[in-house]
Amino acid sequence: AQKITQTQPGMFVQEKEAVTLDCTYDTSDPSYGLFWYKQPSSGEMIFLIYQGSYDQQNATEGRYSLNFQKARKSANLVISASQLGDSAMYFCAMRGTTGGGNKLTFGTGTQLKVEL
Amino acid sequence: EAGVTQFPSHSVIEKGQTVTLRCDPISGHDNLYWYRRVMGKEIKFLLHFVKESKQDESGMPNNRFLAERTGGTYSTLKVQPAELEDSGVYFCASSQEARTGAKNIQYFGAGTRLSVL
Repeated sequence: AQKITQTQPGMFVQEKEAVTLDCTYDTSDPSYGLFWYKQPSSGEMIFLIYQGSYDQQNATEGRYSLNFQKARKSANLVISASQLGDSAMYFCAMRGTTGGGNKLTFGTGTQLKVEL
Repeated sequence: EAGVTQFPSHSVIEKGQTVTLRCDPISGHDNLYWYRRVMGKEIKFLLHFVKESKQDESGMPNNRFLAERTGGTYSTLKVQPAELEDSGVYFCASSQEARTGAKNIQYFGAGTRLSVL
């Protein structure tokens, strides 16, 4: 079974500062993918970034980077230079490769609020 | 290019009634997924279509839920009869790639908020 844990129900950050959203995972799959999604108040889930378990380098997409520490089973999302529009719910998710390998397992999410 | 669209955005029904949710995936995406988020809990997988075939329906809670994808285009999720515990947000997602081990980005819609009173 796979499990995603997001221990921060809510986070505050000041505009232009960097923020790290925590995500730890548990799986017995040898190969897996890790994803982060953003859900603004409009409701749509927006894909942000992906990290494969065998990727040698941490993923980056613009202001988003994924701090992947495989031995610790963590996949923290780092948002640099926060903007007011970054205020949203953020979900960490993973997809394994065995036992129904295409479904995503999600954490409970972190509500991020960017303040002036 | 249009994203994943879901209809309605919000539905309020009484216990025992029937509700049908619709999802239009991104054009050309063979893979379509349904997920559900019950208040305050994780988003949970319901089922996965590849074209018109159900690839994995391990997350469907019970036989009151019926998902279809006739013709491999849009999908419907019917709840009949609805119960109070069915309230939540129902998300649909689609992806182009579904090979095991592939990147397989799933693109989500805005969800349908279902309230059963």
